[in-house]
Amino acid sequence: SQTIHQWPATLVQPVGSPLSLECTVEGTSNPNLYWYRQAAGRGLQLLFYSVGIGQISSEVPQNLSASRPQDRQFILSSKKLLLSDSGFYLCASGQGGTGELFFGEGSRLTVL
Amino acid sequence: AQSVTQLGSHVSVSEGALVLLRCNYSSSVPPYLFWYVQYPNQGLQLLLKYTTGATLVKGINGFEAEFKKSETSFHLTKPSAHMSDAAEYFCAVGGSQGNLIFGKGTKLSVKP
Repeated sequence: SQTIHQWPATLVQPVGSPLSLECTVEGTSNPNLYWYRQAAGRGLQLLFYSVGIGQISSEVPQNLSASRPQDRQFILSSKKLLLSDSGFYLCASGQGGTGELFFGEGSRLTVL
Repeated sequence: AQSVTQLGSHVSVSEGALVLLRCNYSSSVPPYLFWYVQYPNQGLQLLLKYTTGATLVKGINGFEAEFKKSETSFHLTKPSAHMSDAAEYFCAVGGSQGNLIFGKGTKLSVKP
């Protein structure tokens, strides 16, 4: 089965600072990769997805960007964080079709 | 477009009592449906999924769910709650990009 690694697990950053969250996947090749953000009481919001190296689709306009430099690496970035970027970020991997998604342990970002 | 509605953001049951978490979906195509569980500050773990075939789906930890097309429902049940079942539960429907579209979640509390 797939294993999703995310780091850092927790991060406290000042407003206006940059961000880099990393996700790597083991146990599969050529996965679809996803970044979700979870806010209390709002469920999981899909931010970005990627079907291959260098291919990124954004679901919502925002202060964040994503990149996929390698097949099993997915990075979430920001040049200048906003307070509203605080949340729990989850990376997920799947093979599309009817399959489920496998999730990492998440990265909790607090912007002060 | 697909969507998921989870009825009740919080559900409380006594240990040994029936657990019933409600989920209704909207989908313009035959749905693929999932239930995930999330423990505090962790990622999501798949409980069960429905793709095709038998409408009663059994999952891990004694949970099951029944797909009812006429009611557009996929409620999660467990005959006897255990303290370790306390967590947040998410219902999801498969999206057009291989992603999952989640409900807002239901927090389950189990009283001794």
